[in-house]
Amino acid sequence: EPEVTQTPSHQVTQMGQEVILRCVPISNHLYFYWYRQILGQKVEFLVSFYNNEISEKSEIFDDQFSVERPDGSNFTLKIRSTKLEDSAMYFCASSETSGRSGVQYFGPGTRLTVT
Amino acid sequence: DAKTTQPTSMDCAEGRAANLPCNHSTISGNEYVYWYRQIHSQGPQYIIHGLKNNETNEMASLIITEDRKSSTLILPHATLRDTAVYYCIASGGFGTASKLTFGTGTRLQVTL
Repeated sequence: EPEVTQTPSHQVTQMGQEVILRCVPISNHLYFYWYRQILGQKVEFLVSFYNNEISEKSEIFDDQFSVERPDGSNFTLKIRSTKLEDSAMYFCASSETSGRSGVQYFGPGTRLTVT
Repeated sequence: DAKTTQPTSMDCAEGRAANLPCNHSTISGNEYVYWYRQIHSQGPQYIIHGLKNNETNEMASLIITEDRKSSTLILPHATLRDTAVYYCIASGGFGTASKLTFGTGTRLQVTL
């Protein structure tokens, strides 16, 4: 069964450093998403992406964040200058474009620890 | 997205049916009801979704009331591996890249 994959599974970085989280969505999906979950809190939407542009973003997704689909398979989330409060699980998701396209399938997540 | 309300926690004996309720009284006509679950800090796992008809798949059944203001997720024979947080989400429609708004969900504990 196709699945969303994410790398790395755990990333430790120092405050102020740039990090790139990587995702490989399901191959025939065209909508991509990033969510995050701070420990003990709700899963929060960050951004959705379609046709090489951002469809929607939340208030969390400020200028420190960017997303990119650098090739036909990867979808990345970059945090330019990490802060302690960026420590969280980051989940990538993807969905199909037609029919019952609202179903988002999530990856296993990347645990980001900012020290 | 319409707001959903779920009980904070529920218990279920292994082998019995788990019935998880959800209230979504402000759901709009084009919003689907989605159910996901999350085991520990793993990625949310899709379970089932529906618009107005009842749905069944290999994991669960979804019963949506005729007025669409509430629904029930049924796990027919719960196992210990079904222990998780279950989220009911009302969102989007065909062809939209709608965000999913997660609440706090229902923590289901399956016991021997």
